[in-house]
Amino acid sequence: EVQLVESGGGLVQPGGSLRLSCAASGFTFSDYAMTWVRQAPGKGLEWVSTIGGSGTSTYYEDSVKGRFTISRDNSKNTLYLQMNSLRVEDTAVYHCARYPLAPGRRMDVWGQGTTVTVSS
Amino acid sequence: DIQLTQSPSFLSASVGDRVTITCRASQGISSYLAWYQQKPGKAPKLLIYAASTFQSGVPSRFSGSGSGTEFTLTISSLQPEDFATYYCQQVNSYPITFGGGTKVEIK
Repeated sequence: EVQLVESGGGLVQPGGSLRLSCAASGFTFSDYAMTWVRQAPGKGLEWVSTIGGSGTSTYYEDSVKGRFTISRDNSKNTLYLQMNSLRVEDTAVYHCARYPLAPGRRMDVWGQGTTVTVSS
Repeated sequence: DIQLTQSPSFLSASVGDRVTITCRASQGISSYLAWYQQKPGKAPKLLIYAASTFQSGVPSRFSGSGSGTEFTLTISSLQPEDFATYYCQQVNSYPITFGGGTKVEIK
């Protein structure tokens, strides 16, 4: 069964750091780009970051650029999101998703999400 | 950045109704558009990609059309399990963006 399971969320003070993980199973992890999408309480979906299958290509939403780092360990079938200098507005449920690029780009498998709360 | 405008943002409908949701892009995105369904407390579920390609396992009452800047998601006969929020997403270029969502509720 294809599955993504996120972990690492929690409560952190503004300016703090967290590292999210996304454990993948049921498919050849290195064959796929992966992405993080977040959803603030009561709000819509927001793309955060994408990484290519080899890990060499990365893309970020402007508000997280320079603060968040996406990475992956293909030997461990795990995706990461290192979040530094966290702000109150980063509070959200963070989902990882598989992102096949062909044929047709889409986020076809999603994890259930991990909750990040930034508050003093 | 490419902005996606969904309409309506809220829709009240009955079981059996035909429902159409529109997504307009601020610039041309060819067919690089996907549709997702999300229920409260759950992860989004992919319905349609490349504007009109069904994701495996999605009921045939869902269909997508359009290209360029105007796209539609149609549910031919609304079922009880279809009451949810629907999002369009453009994957033509970074940053990837989502529409604001359309909440479909029971009339």
